[in-house]
This record gives sequence, C-alpha cells and structure tokens, in this order.
Amino acid sequence: NAGVTQTPKFRILKIGQSMTLQCTQDMNHNYMYWYRQDPGMGLKLIYYSVGAGITDKGEVPNGYNVSRSTTEDFPLRLELAAPSQTSVYFCASSPGQGISGYTFGSGTRLTVV
Amino acid sequence: GDSVTQMEGPVTLSEEAFLTINCTYTATGYPSLFWYVQYPGEGLQLLLKATKADDKGSNKGFEATYRKETTSFHLEKGSVQVSDSAVYFCALSSGNTPLVFGKGTRLSVIA
Repeated sequence: NAGVTQTPKFRILKIGQSMTLQCTQDMNHNYMYWYRQDPGMGLKLIYYSVGAGITDKGEVPNGYNVSRSTTEDFPLRLELAAPSQTSVYFCASSPGQGISGYTFGSGTRLTVV
Repeated sequence: GDSVTQMEGPVTLSEEAFLTINCTYTATGYPSLFWYVQYPGEGLQLLLKATKADDKGSNKGFEATYRKETTSFHLEKGSVQVSDSAVYFCALSSGNTPLVFGKGTRLSVIA
C-alpha cells in the first residue's frame, strides 16, 4: 500500500524561484490537504480540496497555489519563493471530514536561501 | 475560531514511567478529537480518536477520554517505552472542517 506519496523529499530553492510539490494518493480519498510544519508551531493548513475540481484556502494560503484535476493528485505550487516558506510540507488525504482520520505523506523539507 | 492548546514540551521520562500530555480545546458545536504521533523523519500517524463526549479512544496502550465539561482530551499511558519517543499532536475537527492541530509535545523516553 503506497498511501500518500510526496516528492521530492528535500529541496533547496533560491529566493524568487518557483517549484511544485507533488502529492499522490491511491486510496480514492475525496479529501486532500496541504499543511506546513514549522518548529514549535504545529501544523498550519495551506489549502485543501473536497474533490476533483474543488479547492479552498486554509489558514496560510499566501504565496501558494493548488489544483485538483484528478482524485489522486493534489500538487502545491510555490511562486516566487521567499525565506518565510522554509518549512516541512505535509500532504494528507481522508475519505471524509469530521470523524475520518487523515493519512499523511512523509513530507517535503524545503529550504529557501 | 477553533483552537487546541497542548502542554509545552519537551517531556523527558524514564522507561516504565506514567505519561500524561494535556490537551484542551475551544470549538463551536461538538468536535471530534484526535491524537496523532510523529516519529523522527516521518509524517503524522493517527494514534486514537473520540467523536463524542465521554468516549475513550485507545491504541497501543495510549488512552484519552473526551471530557466535554472541561473541554479536554488528555493523552495517557501507564508505562512508556523508549520506542514511544516522538512528537504528539492533539487535533480537532468541527463538523465538516479540516483538522486543527495543537503545537505538538515532544516526548523523550530514556532507558
């Protein structure tokens, strides 16, 4: 069982560069999420999706974009990278909201220099 | 808005000690409550959950009881092992909203 797969695992970007973090799930989950994890700050929701073609902003969406063209894929796009975007990014999926637990990927560690 | 407050870490315990990690919440309505665990270099894993008042979630020797009157969901384990060393996150979901996480509590268990 692959679950949620994130690529790359590590990346260093220069200020102003752009990149896409990939996320794929093979569990046919409708709901997908992007969180960022900063030391001592827990996880903050960036964007989420309740199904193909539908996305919504979370708590910290500025500087990011997402798309959801298929059930399986939920890429996160960083435009004009800034040092404040240095973080660990986690993608997650769930079959529903509320009582459903989330399945997390193993994360992407991004450093912007 | 909804929020979760966890005790500050790090917590350092000797093997076989009793563990309590406090978690309180603020939410509208009746949220579902969760504990997640993150081992070094990995993503978060669901540890246990409770969906209504007085429910007790349990898994791998860990327990937490949903206390509506005190808005709490404290995590407990009677005898910790070195392998329990990890970061523990309390989280909640109100209705159809995404999970809101606490800041996490790092646990270190020494032999």
